[in-house]
Amino acid sequence: EIVVTQSPGTLSLSPGERATLSCKTSQSVNSGYIAWYQQKPGQAPRLVISGASSRDSGIPDRFSGSGSGTEFTLTINRLESEDFAIYYCQLYGSSLWTFGQGTKVEI
Amino acid sequence: EVQLLQSGGRLVQPGGSLRLSCTASGFTFSSSGMHWVRQAPGKGLQWLASIGGSGMSIYYADSAKGRFTISRDNSKNVLYLEMNNLTPEDTAIYYCAKRAIKYACFDSWGQGNLVTVSS
Repeated sequence: EIVVTQSPGTLSLSPGERATLSCKTSQSVNSGYIAWYQQKPGQAPRLVISGASSRDSGIPDRFSGSGSGTEFTLTINRLESEDFAIYYCQLYGSSLWTFGQGTKVEI
Repeated sequence: EVQLLQSGGRLVQPGGSLRLSCTASGFTFSSSGMHWVRQAPGKGLQWLASIGGSGMSIYYADSAKGRFTISRDNSKNVLYLEMNNLTPEDTAIYYCAKRAIKYACFDSWGQGNLVTVSS
């Protein structure tokens, strides 16, 4: 079973700053199987990035995804107030889906 | 517009059973893989089960095997999750989600249903 580890657990930043979120897998994976979700309090998750680097429809271009092998990154440039949320990394593999434990981006 | 409207969440006693429903609209339901994901209070997301568009290709997380059953009725555009022998550890918000076409991720989510297992 591949383990998905996100870091840091919490990221304390100010509006206008850059957020860099990490997602590491215990084995090398196909980057097409990495996705990132945003979840705000009381809301369902929302797909932000699929295939490691493709922004979903309606996602601002300040969000970008990158990485390969075992290390993947979600970068949020010029944080806006609406971006403060919890972000989850997700891996697909062997007909199973695994979420990381999440990174909270807080003010 | 894709919509996933969930129903069925409620308070249930330990050992009880419950069926959750997720009614889909705005896309070709029978062509889309669907999933159930849950989130315990204050915790992260946990994938539970998936089902292919035709109702075949069913997969479960270890935590769901043996007690949970995913199914679908393509004539009604409804996804189901049957849960048996529930324990307090099953208390969570349960979400249905639609699989994306291009990548193996979830591009639309239901609003979530709270299931509380307590005596």
